[in-house]
Amino acid sequence: NAGVTQTPKFRVLKTGQSMTLLCAQDMNHEYMYWYRQDPGMGLRLIHYSVGEGTTAKGEVPDGYNVSRLKKQNFLLGLESAAPSQTSVYFCASSYGGRSTEAFFGQGTRLTVV
Amino acid sequence: EDKVVQSPLSLVVHEGDTVTLNCSYEVTNFRSLLWYKQEKKAPTFLFMLTSSGIEKKSGRLSSILDKKELFSILNITATQTGDSAVYLCAGDSGTYKYIFGTGTRLKVLA
Repeated sequence: NAGVTQTPKFRVLKTGQSMTLLCAQDMNHEYMYWYRQDPGMGLRLIHYSVGEGTTAKGEVPDGYNVSRLKKQNFLLGLESAAPSQTSVYFCASSYGGRSTEAFFGQGTRLTVV
Repeated sequence: EDKVVQSPLSLVVHEGDTVTLNCSYEVTNFRSLLWYKQEKKAPTFLFMLTSSGIEKKSGRLSSILDKKELFSILNITATQTGDSAVYLCAGDSGTYKYIFGTGTRLKVLA
């Protein structure tokens, strides 16, 4: 029962470097989400996807790009990392349609120095 | 703009106490209110509330939704140290987005 799996779990980047965070879910969920969590800020939605091949912007999309080429995978890219992107990133997925809960991955702690 | 506000921001209680956590929301096309518990890593699902006035219970935890006044409460009775966590509530906007509050950090002392 893998559920939602994020890789990597930890990463340190230098300012200006790029990286991709991978999220994989094995629950056949239609909807997938990327959130960032900062102290005192709760979970803020970066981008989300309502199905394979679709993406949409959330509350804080600047500096990030996403792709959903396969239903089970949702990638979050940072093209040129900045210290302000130091955060814990959570991927989530949900069945969609009627109200259903979101299932979360274990998070990726990213530090940009 | 959609928003979810939780109070208090933090709370310290002793084992055995009862706590009430609050969540108010303004969410367009509101469909449901969700509660999560976050310990060290991923938030884990507690409750989903869609109907007003119907209490959901799981052991010592219970929650209720008031759709007229736009709020929900999460009650924990006979608290234990294992209840120490951040409790998050989220509004499902019906546009496939979950809007989260900043959370209530609960610490239960032995």
